[in-house]
Amino acid sequence: AQSVTQLDSHVSVSEGTPVLLRCNYSSSYSPSLFWYVQHPNKGLQLLLKYTSAATLVKGINGFEAEFKKSETSFHLTKPSAHMSDAAEYFCVVSANTGNQFYFGTGTSLTVIP
Amino acid sequence: EAQVTQNPRYLITVTGKKLTVTCSQNMNHEYMSWYRQDPGLGLRQIYYSMNVEVTDKGDVPEGYKVSRKEKRNFPLILESPSPNQTSLYFCASSLGGYSYNEQFFGPGTRLTVL
Repeated sequence: AQSVTQLDSHVSVSEGTPVLLRCNYSSSYSPSLFWYVQHPNKGLQLLLKYTSAATLVKGINGFEAEFKKSETSFHLTKPSAHMSDAAEYFCVVSANTGNQFYFGTGTSLTVIP
Repeated sequence: EAQVTQNPRYLITVTGKKLTVTCSQNMNHEYMSWYRQDPGLGLRQIYYSMNVEVTDKGDVPEGYKVSRKEKRNFPLILESPSPNQTSLYFCASSLGGYSYNEQFFGPGTRLTVL
């Protein structure tokens, strides 16, 4: 069975400071992992994905995530937050069958000027 | 422009009145899926389709139907909507049914059932 736990429902950071959004997963198979972003009243956009290649994955807008199998984690980071990063972020896991995708409950990121 | 479109974007209806939310993609994707998004619950998969005439249940299929008669279209049907189906619905598509393929999402349909 697959599942995702996003450890923080809300994160607030000051503009220019680092961002850390935490995600732990559970998967019976070798998983694929994704981070999506949802800006207010918008659809979802892919930030980055892990698919069993490099464990450090770089995405768009300066975001990156590291797959740690021993910790079953896939935390999202960014060195310096920008006001435009304020949004809802979802961690997603999929088993290697590729049929179903499991979303975390989301982390709302607030960026303080 | 490559995209997933949904219609309508907003819908207010009453209990028991059948409705259909359409979803169409122009990327020749094989895989399509429907999700509902509720506060505090994230997105939950309703149904998915690996290809034409192939559909399967996700985590929350009760009260919904789907069909996939054409590759580009994947309508979501609520035969007898109830208030607990009030939600934000997203359609998504991807190249194929492999876990590493990213999904492309539509803009969402906000449904209110009174």
